[in-house]
Amino acid sequence: GAGVSQSPRYKVAKRGQDVALRCDPISGHVSLFWYQQALGQGPEFLTYFQNEAQLDKSGLPSDRFFAERPEGSVSTLKIQRTQQEDSAVYLCASSPTPSGYSTDTQYFGPGTRLTVL
Amino acid sequence: AQSVTQPDIHITVSEGASLELRCNYSYGATPYLFWYVQSPGQGLQLLLKYFSGDTLVQGIKGFEAEFKRSQSSFNLRKPSVHWSDAAEYFCAVGRYSSASKIIFGSGTRLSIRP
Repeated sequence: GAGVSQSPRYKVAKRGQDVALRCDPISGHVSLFWYQQALGQGPEFLTYFQNEAQLDKSGLPSDRFFAERPEGSVSTLKIQRTQQEDSAVYLCASSPTPSGYSTDTQYFGPGTRLTVL
Repeated sequence: AQSVTQPDIHITVSEGASLELRCNYSYGATPYLFWYVQSPGQGLQLLLKYFSGDTLVQGIKGFEAEFKRSQSSFNLRKPSVHWSDAAEYFCAVGRYSSASKIIFGSGTRLSIRP
């Protein structure tokens, strides 16, 4: 079956522009996660959704970052007024179980590589 | 606070040789431990995970890992590597709670020498 998909795969933005990154989780998956992966680093947690509810957004680095999942399926990560330090790969993951317990297997998408000039 | 250390940034081994990737964690209680692999252009794929029970965990692609509480380690091993194993490997730690975070190490890049 289809895995987690993300679009676009690559995004180049000028500093100050707003960007929107899309995640299509595996169909029926209740939990959805966003991670940020800087060059040469491991992924860092940004936020977590259970269906449409954003239960944990403690990893969002600033109020320029906003995520939503209005119908409990597709999610969008929006970054306003992008800065150079926002350049990273943004990973989305989904999990079939209806909780954020970290024993769940998370299935990752290929990521969106954002470059801010 | 939870943390994960992967002391080797880059390792090169010959095809057919054995492999061990090191991982040390810091956590106050029994951790939940994971190894993920990331190939270029691919998403992270779970190799194996440890929650409880047998401390030697078998995973996919012939990998295994051993949880050693006394050493706070969860090293990944494979008896004979294949060229297709070249990738970035991440160790991660989580906890069983409503907090959904998984903390990843900084990764070890594995190269295979023909």
